[in-house]
Order: sequence, then structure tokens, then C-alpha cells
Amino acid sequence: AQTVTQSQPEMSVQEAETVTLSCTYDTSENNYYLFWYKQPPSRQMILVIRQEAYKQQNATENRFSVNFQKAAKSFSLKISDSQLGDTAMYFCAFMKSSNQGGKLIFGQGTELSVKP
Amino acid sequence: KAGVTQTPRYLIKTRGQQVTLSCSPISGHRSVSWYQQTPGQGLQFLFEYFSETQRNKGNFPGRFSGRQFSNSRSEMNVSTLELGDSALYLCASSSVFGGVDTQYFGPGTRLTVL
Repeated sequence: AQTVTQSQPEMSVQEAETVTLSCTYDTSENNYYLFWYKQPPSRQMILVIRQEAYKQQNATENRFSVNFQKAAKSFSLKISDSQLGDTAMYFCAFMKSSNQGGKLIFGQGTELSVKP
Repeated sequence: KAGVTQTPRYLIKTRGQQVTLSCSPISGHRSVSWYQQTPGQGLQFLFEYFSETQRNKGNFPGRFSGRQFSNSRSEMNVSTLELGDSALYLCASSSVFGGVDTQYFGPGTRLTVL
């Protein structure tokens, strides 16, 4: 069975600074996808970034980038130039690659506070 | 495109009752998944429907059921409600984009069982 672990329950960062959220996972699969979702106080789950395991290049989306280390089973999220609107719960998620759909397996989340 | 919509947004029920939650996916998405979010257990997968068929199922008792209609809208039903069923229920629709099956979530239905 796959598991996802986020070891930082809470983090804070000053506005405009950079913060890195950690995520590790355990799987015996070779083909899979990894995601970061954010859930602000509105509770709407929003996709931040995704990574295909077969791609060596780390995914980036504007101020958000990942450090994907497949051998170490690590998938951290870096937020640059943090903004107040980045305050949210961040979830790391794993999905096995399949042509039969799939389920997301989530970590427990990291609550990020961006301070002015 | 309009996002995933869920109705109702809030529900209060009493133990023993049953409840039906509705989810309308993003136009063109044929897969709908349901998740339960609680403070203690986090986010847990309930089931996934594709083309009106349950394709994947999580580890929840038979009191939790769902269905999908020909227009891809989905409903989930919880019978004989228990206090522990109080949770945020999230629906996600998905499509394969660039080879990646990506799920997009609705705003959720907050269910409170008294």
C-alpha cells in the first residue's frame, strides 16, 4: 500500500520570503503521479502543481516549484516570494498510474501561515 | 468552463437518518471521485465513478454508496448516519491532461450529524 507523509504540521514564513514544504512517500510502483494541493480557509481544494514520476525535470508553476527525488521518494514544494494569499493547508498527494482511473492518497497536510 | 459544483453546501442531520449529496463535474469530465475529510482521519477516498460504473472503491462500509448518471453528474448516499460521519465531503472530477489523470475539486458539502 502507498503512504504519504508530511512531517511538518505547521509552518510560517514572512511575506516575500521563500519556504519549502516537505513530503515523502512510500510505494513499490514505478509509474505514478505526485501532486500538491492547497486548501485555504474557504476549504476549496486547489491544484498547485503536478509531477509525473517518469519525468526527471522538476515541475514549476510560476512561484511554485518542486524538488522531486525519485530514489529518495521525496517530493518537496518550494514557494518563492510568498504572498498573504498563500496562507492555506497544503496537501501532498500520490496517484498510481493506471488506465483504470485512480485514487489520490493524501498526506496529513502542512498548515502554512504567511505573515505580513 | 465552470468548475465542479456540489449541493448542498451544508447539511445537518440526526443519527439514523440518510443523506444524499450531489456533484456536477466540469463539462466534458467523465470521472467523478468522492473523498471524506475529517480532522482525525484526514482525506480518505470513498469511490470513483466513470461512465456510470463504479471503477474504484475505498475502505468504507456499505452504508456509503454512490451512483453516476449519463450526464456524468454523481450522487453519494449515506444511510443510517452515525456521529462519525460528520465531515467535509469533497467531490472531484478528472480528465487526462498531458497523460496525467488530474482531479479538480468542488467546494465540498459540510455534513453535521447530531
